[in-house]
Amino acid sequence: KAGVTQTPRYLIKTRGQQVTLSCSPISGHRSVSWYQQTPGQGLQFLFEYFSETQRNKGNFPGRFSGRQFSNSRSEMNVSTLELGDSALYLCASSLYSGTNEKLFFGSGTQLSVL
Amino acid sequence: GESVGLHLPTLSVQEGDNSIINCAYSNSASDYFIWYKQESGKGPQFIIDIRSNMDKRQGQRVTVLLNKTVKHLSLQIAATQPGDSAVYFCAENRGSSNTGKLIFGQGTTLQVKP
Repeated sequence: KAGVTQTPRYLIKTRGQQVTLSCSPISGHRSVSWYQQTPGQGLQFLFEYFSETQRNKGNFPGRFSGRQFSNSRSEMNVSTLELGDSALYLCASSLYSGTNEKLFFGSGTQLSVL
Repeated sequence: GESVGLHLPTLSVQEGDNSIINCAYSNSASDYFIWYKQESGKGPQFIIDIRSNMDKRQGQRVTVLLNKTVKHLSLQIAATQPGDSAVYFCAENRGSSNTGKLIFGQGTTLQVKP
């Protein structure tokens, strides 16, 4: 069974631009979560989607948004990029949404904002 | 505030020795904990999980211990191998009954000396 797939693997943008990242969950998984990883802040929760609905949201500004499609694939968007948005963005999927669900991560998209 | 802490940022062990990585958590209501391993250039890889109704769980060469009294979690790796070199994260799932949200610790880098 294929794992979580994230595209693109690397991305370079300039300040003020916007970016869209894509995530395909493990086949059959219906929940997709997004995390931001930086050396200073570590892994931080962005949001979680289940059945095309946002179930939970972390403490990030409104510039960060996401959505989930009927096939469970998910995208996240960051508008008006800032230098501090440079990070590894990780997507994770699980069968369902819940406190005891095992999350499986993709390899991430490394975003550099210049 | 939300926090999951690890006691040591770096742990260096000799190949063949046992490794113990520690983690403290702050939310006594958390009931599900996971250990992840992250190698350079990859996303976090699930190692082992434990629910709060258990004190100990064993996998292949790994054991997780949970002490709810002092809110402490540990990962023991038996006969540590060079391939175990990575950053190890503990995480607690602090979502509500129908959502998932992982709070990660800062990570411990395990270095295995040949």
